[in-house]
Amino acid sequence: AQSVTQPDIHITVSEGASLELRCNYSYGATPYLFWYVQSPGQGLQLLLKYFSGDTLVQGIKGFEAEFKRSQSSFNLRKPSVHWSDAAEYFCAVGTDKLIFGTGTRLQVFP
Amino acid sequence: DAGITQSPRHKVTETGTPVTLRCHQTENHRYMYWYRQDPGHGLRLIHYSYGVKDTDKGEVSDGYSVSRSKTEDFLLTLESATSSQTSVYFCAISPGTSYEQYFGPGTRLTVT
Repeated sequence: AQSVTQPDIHITVSEGASLELRCNYSYGATPYLFWYVQSPGQGLQLLLKYFSGDTLVQGIKGFEAEFKRSQSSFNLRKPSVHWSDAAEYFCAVGTDKLIFGTGTRLQVFP
Repeated sequence: DAGITQSPRHKVTETGTPVTLRCHQTENHRYMYWYRQDPGHGLRLIHYSYGVKDTDKGEVSDGYSVSRSKTEDFLLTLESATSSQTSVYFCAISPGTSYEQYFGPGTRLTVT
């Protein structure tokens, strides 16, 4: 079955600390992989995507993600978190239809 | 930002009434999608469209229908609203070439 797992429902970090959000997936073929961010009351904004090539992809807002085929993972990272990064983050996989994880809520303390 | 609007943005309706939500795009993208977002469930696909008059069901389509008579508009109809359909509804569009989806601002629907 196709699925996306985001194991961490809620993460709290201090401003300036590094961040890693986990995403594991199960998919029959090689999918496109995406990370989205959602601020309260807003729609989802695309942070980055991966399909092929360099397994480390750069996105907007200073985020990056690394695809590891052997681990079926696509973890999102940021070296230094800003208070404005507090939001909910969704991993998604698929092609013409996407499967979304249940999200990770990021809280940032000053 | 992709040109996607949703209307209405907020709606309160009573159980048993029909409700139609509208998604309008100015990007001329081929693919359009309707999702619902509920706590603990992420986004779940209700219906999608690959073009005018070409629609199909997603994973949670029961109780919903859609129509797409023009490229720019994708309508979601709740034939007889139930309290379980209280949710935030998002429309998304995609050019279909690299599969990224762009989302509208959402419609918060409350069924009382």
